[in-house]
Amino acid sequence: GESVGLHLPTLSVQEGDNSIINCAYSNSASDYFIWYKQESGKGPQFIIDIRSNMDKRQGQRVTVLLNKTVKHLSLQIAATQPGDSAVYFCADQRTSYGKLTFGQGTILTVHP
Amino acid sequence: EAGVVQSPRYKIIEKKQPVAFWCNPISGHNTLYWYLQNLGQGPELLIRYENEEAVDDSQLPKDRFSAERLKGVDSTLKIQPAELGDSAVYLCASSLGVRLKDRGLEETQYFGPGTRLLVL
Repeated sequence: GESVGLHLPTLSVQEGDNSIINCAYSNSASDYFIWYKQESGKGPQFIIDIRSNMDKRQGQRVTVLLNKTVKHLSLQIAATQPGDSAVYFCADQRTSYGKLTFGQGTILTVHP
Repeated sequence: EAGVVQSPRYKIIEKKQPVAFWCNPISGHNTLYWYLQNLGQGPELLIRYENEEAVDDSQLPKDRFSAERLKGVDSTLKIQPAELGDSAVYLCASSLGVRLKDRGLEETQYFGPGTRLLVL
């Protein structure tokens, strides 16, 4: 099912703080998960992904955590910068099927 | 390396008019996707191509929407006639399209900048 609307969750942080963005997914059969960043007027940009056989994966300044028990995904951004301000979407996929399902986005605003 | 290219970037039309969007995927990517994104929402899949074949068009409103990918590279998405509710961003994405043993079709989708459609 979907829960969408114009009022996206928002997160406002100071430059240099760490940010945590959360996401819940509904399909227990999903086995591949991706975080995308979308800036105003642009398409979604890949940030990091994780497979269902992992519970944590780290990239440059970003970490994704997966809790399959409660179907929860989080994105941690270290030392958040003004350039990180964007809408962040999680997406999940059942790889045998291929369809990517996007969750509700979160607006991240980073104040200098 | 060039990313996914879409054109036009913006389109304003009157209702009942036809409109077409074009997408050129990343070179070598066999799988191409068209998504619709309404304001404040995540993208929703309209159609997925593996090479020339539309393998998932279950979400495409076929009474007015059509798509083609004749040579397995570029793709066009058409709306005829357009309605007010079609105002949205139309995103194209592509992925390698390699079905890996024991991992299925697990691969990153890369998105283009989108076409912003306004129907008046």
